[in-house]
Amino acid sequence: SQKIEQNSEALNIQEGKTATLTCNYTNYSPAYLQWYRQDPGRGPVFLLLIRENEKEKRKERLKVTFDTTLKQSLFHITASQPADSATYLCALRDTGRRALTFGSGTRLQVQP
Amino acid sequence: DAGVIQSPRHEVTEMGQEVTLRCKPISGHDYLFWYRQTMMRGLELLIYFNNNVPIDDSGMPEDRFSAKMPNASFSTLKIQPSEPRDSAVYFCASNFRTGGADTQYFGPGTRLTVL
Repeated sequence: SQKIEQNSEALNIQEGKTATLTCNYTNYSPAYLQWYRQDPGRGPVFLLLIRENEKEKRKERLKVTFDTTLKQSLFHITASQPADSATYLCALRDTGRRALTFGSGTRLQVQP
Repeated sequence: DAGVIQSPRHEVTEMGQEVTLRCKPISGHDYLFWYRQTMMRGLELLIYFNNNVPIDDSGMPEDRFSAKMPNASFSTLKIQPSEPRDSAVYFCASNFRTGGADTQYFGPGTRLTVL
């Protein structure tokens, strides 16, 4: 069966450190993968998109990697700040389907 | 732009009642999505429209759920009759597919509680 797995346990890190979140998938052939941020009581907000033929994408303090062999994407936030505390969702679009499928998200808590 | 607008923001109703959730997508967007989010199941796609036409409703849980998009600027999700297990946050999202990308813009959600 198809699965998108993100660590359900919250990730707690100290301010200034690099946060690394993982997204693993099974039985998908994603055309691309996206990362979203969700704050409590709000809808998800798009952060980054990486295509199947790309290894890495960067945007300011954010970096995403995509390994289609390992079937995994890593999402990094460097020099993390308390304001980065939120839930981060990965989403992928299967090549056989037009809609996105979301993972359940990982909550990040950055301690000052 | 005001972003995706959803109403109401909160809805509390009793089991058996009809519930209607509303969404106004971003102007110019030609895709509209309805999602449901719960702690147990995460964010699930219910249905999506392209140019006001339903394309994929395979995520709609059962016949109690229906969705319409009468024009490019308005969509409704109706639950009739509602049940306690329908309690969740319902999100509407829209996008404009340029280059095949699917960056979605989400509304603030409607928190539905069915007693």
